[in-house]
Amino acid sequence: NAGVTQTPKFQVLKTGQSMTLQCAQDMNHEYMSWYRQDPGMGLRLIHYSVGAGITDQGEVPNGYNVSRSTTEDFPLRLLSAAPSQTSVYFCASTEPGSGANVLTFGAGSRLTVL
Amino acid sequence: AQKITQTQPGMFVQEKEAVTLDCTYDTSDPSYGLFWYKQPSSGEMIFLIYQGSYDQQNATEGRYSLNFQKARKSANLVISASQLGDSAMYFCAMREVTSGTYKYIFGTGTRLKVLA
Repeated sequence: NAGVTQTPKFQVLKTGQSMTLQCAQDMNHEYMSWYRQDPGMGLRLIHYSVGAGITDQGEVPNGYNVSRSTTEDFPLRLLSAAPSQTSVYFCASTEPGSGANVLTFGAGSRLTVL
Repeated sequence: AQKITQTQPGMFVQEKEAVTLDCTYDTSDPSYGLFWYKQPSSGEMIFLIYQGSYDQQNATEGRYSLNFQKARKSANLVISASQLGDSAMYFCAMREVTSGTYKYIFGTGTRLKVLA
């Protein structure tokens, strides 16, 4: 099993550009989420989804859009990148009700906005 | 208000000694879960250990144990017999149910350095 796959691993953008971070999981997990990691701030929840067609905002949703058209995929869109969005982004998934409900993480995507 | 607090930004420990990483939490959900993750310098998030709020016994996984003190709302990670490979960032996290859905909240992390 591949688990949670994130692409790209690295990306440099100019201010105002748009891009999509891709996240795919092959574990048939209903719950998927996006976090950003910044020094000294831990991981902060951006958006999450409890199933296809259902998304909701986390702690820091501004500047990001998500959609969930399939169980497997949960892309994160930056509509107009800003330097404040320079960060490492993690996608994570789990299956609610499956015991401990441990989040499985992707390898991360490092984004730099100039 | 911080829901997960890790008060130690950095810690040092001598190889082969034990170390405790602190974590306190705050929730009104009676059915919550507590997790510890390790993030080595390579960047991936590695799950270490889990404690459910109703678990009577402290969780253990090999050299990792979770010192769960429910009344104090603390969930400290104890690493026994530290190894050089334990040098990493460690995150405490809590799963709670809010408005009928799961949310996972992370602390700011503790960077552990194991000294030879």
